[in-house]
Amino acid sequence: QSVLTQSPSASGTPGQRVTISCSGSSSNIGSNIVNWYQQLPGRAPKVLIYSNDQRPSGVPDRFSGSKSGTSASLAISGLQSEDEAEYYCAAWDDRLNGYVFGTGTKVTVL
Amino acid sequence: DVHLVESGGGLVQPGGSLRLSCAASGFTFSNYAMNWVRQAPGKGLQWVSIISDDGVATYYADSVKGRFTISRDNSKNTVYLQMNSLRAEDTAVYFCAKARGSGRHEDYYFDYWGQGTPVTVSS
Repeated sequence: QSVLTQSPSASGTPGQRVTISCSGSSSNIGSNIVNWYQQLPGRAPKVLIYSNDQRPSGVPDRFSGSKSGTSASLAISGLQSEDEAEYYCAAWDDRLNGYVFGTGTKVTVL
Repeated sequence: DVHLVESGGGLVQPGGSLRLSCAASGFTFSNYAMNWVRQAPGKGLQWVSIISDDGVATYYADSVKGRFTISRDNSKNTVYLQMNSLRAEDTAVYFCAKARGSGRHEDYYFDYWGQGTPVTVSS
């Protein structure tokens, strides 16, 4: 049972903007950075956003992250078919003294 | 190029043990913390454990504490996960992941992942 809650699914047509939310608490998102990972079907996860809003080199600027209080968001603008994947938020939890992942959001491109 | 290759997974009976290995290449292994993350069939990601670059500091998820032990051999560029007293709920694909960040484990993110090794706990 994850301590970071995400909506189970999100969808959009090509070109649309999709936003995924991640809700936590003061012991995780409220006091530590948030990272976002993309997992394509049958593949290992890949980091999309680190330190709340930073993109690793090679990640398109269509992906953006933000954090406010105990929640974080990942936005995908100009949705493309290859964005169809599972997306996870993650953060260190000071109370659990461990890293926690969100429940995951499946993005479908209609 | 960075490569992480896991091995050691397989079928084990409840109560049994397995040792997973993750061989790293393409970076200075001794400079980075390493993690294990697992994914049960059809489920989400679950962090399992982290070990500091020098092997001194380790942390575990509550679900594996006391049963799993993470270790590393910097001379062999390898991180291990010793799994004892295995349960059916430990069935998952186990990924190793390289940590990157400011130096505080709270600021880490996982920049490279292996392809995973499957572990099945069943009689």
